[in-house]
Amino acid sequence: QKEVEQNSGPLSVPEGAIASLNCTYSDRGSQSFFWYRQYSGKSPELIMFIYSNGDKEDGRFTAQLNKASQYVSLLIRDSQPSDSATYLCAVKGQAGTALIFGKGTTLSVSS
Amino acid sequence: NAGVTQTPKFQVLKTGQSMTLQCAQDMNHNSMYWYRQDPGMGLRLIYYSASEGTTDKGEVPNGYNVSRLNKREFSLRLESAAPSQTSVYFCASSEAVAYEQYFGPGTRLTVT
Repeated sequence: QKEVEQNSGPLSVPEGAIASLNCTYSDRGSQSFFWYRQYSGKSPELIMFIYSNGDKEDGRFTAQLNKASQYVSLLIRDSQPSDSATYLCAVKGQAGTALIFGKGTTLSVSS
Repeated sequence: NAGVTQTPKFQVLKTGQSMTLQCAQDMNHNSMYWYRQDPGMGLRLIYYSASEGTTDKGEVPNGYNVSRLNKREFSLRLESAAPSQTSVYFCASSEAVAYEQYFGPGTRLTVT
């Protein structure tokens, strides 16, 4: 059973701080990695995806991938109260299989 | 572009009733998915369709059937609803199974 693990949280950070969200996966053959944000009562919204080892930056968001450690993270710089949401990590495994989602980490940013 | 649309937004069923959840996408995507989301359980894949004419079971297919009506539309049917099927149902689509998915707004289903 392929698994994607995330701490459920809540992760609480003050406004302006860096929030670090982590995700580990079990399938060493995984190829693509996605981060989604889900506000309460809403549907998941794609934030970023990463395919290669290293960092990928988009505005205040940075995705980090380490395939050797089977670890992907999302950093949110200058966190804002509007970033308060549940963040879902999704992993694409072997060819032909659908994404596997983690259960999500709830982030709370206090002003 | 509406993206992914779902109908209905809310539904209450009695145990044993049947219903079909509708999903449509206007992004010319090949792959479509149905998930359910329950508190503490995350998103669980019910069925998916990698391309028009194909469907495959996901993690929790029991009690559900699907139809890929055409490239745009993918429906989910509950033949005999049970209280355990009370959940929020999301439809999603992607260019292909390997690519990022885009979600519809969801259907909140309650089975009493």
